[in-house]
Amino acid sequence: EAQVTQNPRYLITVTGKKLTVTCSQNMNHEYMSWYRQDPGLGLRQIYYSMNVEVTDKGDVPEGYKVSRKEKRNFPLILESPSPNQTSLYFCASSNDPNGYEQYFGPGTRLTVT
Amino acid sequence: DAKTTQPNSMESNEEEPVHLPCNHSTISGTDYIHWYRQLPSQGPEYVIHGLTSNVNNRMASLAIAEDRKSSTLILHRATLRDAAVYYCILRDSPDSNYQLIWGAGTKLIIKP
Repeated sequence: EAQVTQNPRYLITVTGKKLTVTCSQNMNHEYMSWYRQDPGLGLRQIYYSMNVEVTDKGDVPEGYKVSRKEKRNFPLILESPSPNQTSLYFCASSNDPNGYEQYFGPGTRLTVT
Repeated sequence: DAKTTQPNSMESNEEEPVHLPCNHSTISGTDYIHWYRQLPSQGPEYVIHGLTSNVNNRMASLAIAEDRKSSTLILHRATLRDAAVYYCILRDSPDSNYQLIWGAGTKLIIKP
């Protein structure tokens, strides 16, 4: 089944404790992206990647890092999480180089206390 | 920045067609119009996208006004499963090739 998977689905952590949210897709897509979704603010793009070793900042990259060492994986790293990074995070991938027709993962709900 | 305007919510009866409007009066000539939907407790799901001509796929139809300042997503026969928030999306600007700007969307309520 074609899908985007994210792990963990739920995470509660404390301020400053480094964490990684994994994202993997099995569709051989070149384009991948991370979003956060907050009430009243819609989805905002954090980082995106057009291919292996190619990443770029989205709308709200501060406090986040990403890497793209393999085509299928695009982990999101929070080196020192803060409470304002409490949010619902979505990973997405697309076969279109412009990021059209994105397939989204199920989401990761992160709480930073 | 190119922006979209959608009604906050709409109601429709099951098995009837639904027309979801979107205004995008500042759209640039090269911007595609994208529609996604998000069912409760799920990630967004791609619905359709188009540039100038009307588009059809298995999920919906997209009718684009001739001046491209508005578009309408058409669900031909709504089911309870179509209850979701529907987002009409453009790129941030003609130079932002990969960044889609998401608004609040339209919450579609389907009545049995």
